Amino acid sequence: DTAVSQTPKYLVTQMGNDKSIKCEQNLGHDTMYWYKQDSKKFLKIMFSYNNKELIINETVPNRFSPKSPDKAHLNLHINSLELGDSAVYFCASSPNKDLTYEQFFGPGTRLTVL
Amino acid sequence: GQNIDQPTEMTATEGAIVQINCTYQTSGFNGLFWYQQHAGEAPTFLSYNVLDGLEEKGRFSSFLSRSKGYSYLLLKELQMKDSASYLCAAVDSNYQLIWGAGTKLIIKP
Repeated sequence: DTAVSQTPKYLVTQMGNDKSIKCEQNLGHDTMYWYKQDSKKFLKIMFSYNNKELIINETVPNRFSPKSPDKAHLNLHINSLELGDSAVYFCASSPNKDLTYEQFFGPGTRLTVL
Repeated sequence: GQNIDQPTEMTATEGAIVQINCTYQTSGFNGLFWYQQHAGEAPTFLSYNVLDGLEEKGRFSSFLSRSKGYSYLLLKELQMKDSASYLCAAVDSNYQLIWGAGTKLIIKP
């Protein structure tokens, strides 16, 4: 009965590789998010989709490309990984884009770039 | 610019009360959230305030003053499991969340 799930939980890879992180929510929410949390624990919004439509696209390198095949899924593909991409990536969902309700977070994906 | 300020770290004793403050400067305001994040885990929702005043939920209470751009989270009867980071986040006029860097709370026996 997992609400927001992410795979993989851990990802260790070499610089220059391309990797993907998958996210799924079974809450029936309209809005999904990707966050990056660095070593200083600061949560930074990267992208947000509402009903498969991109609504937030913060200043993120274009090596990062989100894809939402349907409103229950939001995947993150990262090209040409760099050392500075090492962080924990959280997927989240909320009932609507107006943020009048809480966000539900996935367990996170710890990415380590060597 | 938009900004959230909260203390980096606080220490308190088991059984005591602690208040974690948060001040915000946002373009417009549509509410404020508090989340708890244990080390190595995802943030989980604690409270949401959009009107002035105190909201109580068990051992945790959250207060908001819109005129002062100020909120606090009050934790009573502290338990060791309350050791975690507490994140303050404000919703701006575009309904985007502005996150603070979090306050790491250390509970000592």
